[in-house]
Amino acid sequence: DTEVTQTPKHLVMGMTNKKSLKCEQHMGHRAMYWYKQKAKKPPELMFVYSYEKLSINESVPSRFSPECPNSSLLNLHLHALQPEDSALYLCASSRQGADTQYFGPGTRLTVL
Amino acid sequence: EDQVTQSPEALRLQEGESSSLNCSYTVSGLRGLFWYRQDPGKGPEFLFTLYSAGEEKEKERLKATLTKKESFLHITAPKPEDSATYLCAVQAHGGSQGNLIFGKGTKLSVKP
Repeated sequence: DTEVTQTPKHLVMGMTNKKSLKCEQHMGHRAMYWYKQKAKKPPELMFVYSYEKLSINESVPSRFSPECPNSSLLNLHLHALQPEDSALYLCASSRQGADTQYFGPGTRLTVL
Repeated sequence: EDQVTQSPEALRLQEGESSSLNCSYTVSGLRGLFWYRQDPGKGPEFLFTLYSAGEEKEKERLKATLTKKESFLHITAPKPEDSATYLCAVQAHGGSQGNLIFGKGTKLSVKP
């Protein structure tokens, strides 16, 4: 089973709201990732967690705050977002950092 | 600079008309090359990982091949359900852990 789940599927929020995206995998993978994808563009890496520790932060604004509570869960906390942050947010996982990444279905985020 | 270029940007085929998608890459040292399929509004679906020149992998109507400078995704007798955007990504030795460098994708449309 190579399933990564993400909730919610869709999220609409105002610029003053606080919300969270959730990602879960039960494949025993030790690396988890957050990507942002705008329409007709490839995914852009935001964060990498390896063994529950943040290993890469690709200069993402502080209004995005990742959290890895355990080896199966990854959250992305959102606060004071801008309309240009509207995008498809993808979670992925891999056995280790250099292995094949498996993506979840994504959360479609709209910021009003 | 590590770079991935996919061609063509868009490809329209008739059902049963075989063709190939190209992924050219420039990396300091290839750790792995990955092919994904992405349907609109969904997360990328893993297809193949290739590690060394000469390697080939097949799955149903798809076959991926790898040389030292490029990879091809061959589609044999495609069906309308093969319509999607196909993404190629590479991972380089010495690159940031887990960092995939994506091409811009090839949008494939298969007409019945």
